[in-house]
Amino acid sequence: DQQVKQNSPSLSVQEGRISILNCDYTNSMFDYFLWYKKYPAEGPTFLISISSIKDKNEDGRFTVFLNKSAKHLSLHIVPSQPGDSAVYFCAASKNNNDMRFGAGTRLTVKP
Amino acid sequence: EPEVTQTPSHQVTQMGQEVILRCVPISNHLYFYWYRQILGQKVEFLVSFYNNEISEKSEIFDDQFSVERPDGSNFTLKIRSTKLEDSAMYFCASTPDRLANYGYTFGSGTRLTVV
Repeated sequence: DQQVKQNSPSLSVQEGRISILNCDYTNSMFDYFLWYKKYPAEGPTFLISISSIKDKNEDGRFTVFLNKSAKHLSLHIVPSQPGDSAVYFCAASKNNNDMRFGAGTRLTVKP
Repeated sequence: EPEVTQTPSHQVTQMGQEVILRCVPISNHLYFYWYRQILGQKVEFLVSFYNNEISEKSEIFDDQFSVERPDGSNFTLKIRSTKLEDSAMYFCASTPDRLANYGYTFGSGTRLTVV
């Protein structure tokens, strides 16, 4: 099941710079997209989401962009902080239910 | 802040044995889920549960798996005859509404090791 893809397993960014995490999906029926952050030994934590009727949603340092024609979404974190270091999962749902996750991208923010 | 509680945090079981993973969802939540993450791989959907019945299940959730809400608080995942490939982190999640935009609340997971 490769409906949600995160092609970059890891990303390293300097503190204060922008982190851009990317996600692609194949199922055009997905209508809701979410980002989760996961620290070791913890469950995923909801971060930010976007409906398919929007192309941008912003919450503090986090912004999610959705490009439906390209079936692509991205998470921007600016400025990046060392505490942002975690694995970030992109998730998508159909009929706003039953999420499918990407494989995750490990973000490392260096001081 | 309310949280989803999972027990045990780590379970080791012999191949072929039955195992029950336990979860206590947030009290006013109505929708419950099990996901799993095999080491180094993606988080995979197993099953969703609402109103005392399964709403959706994935191809992974075969006859060896079952879920139950035996009382008003617990939500359990049973694996009848464990296989080596069942070794994974199992995450329980709950949400007050079926809408994913509420953002599921996940537990810390149970690491299942089948030997």
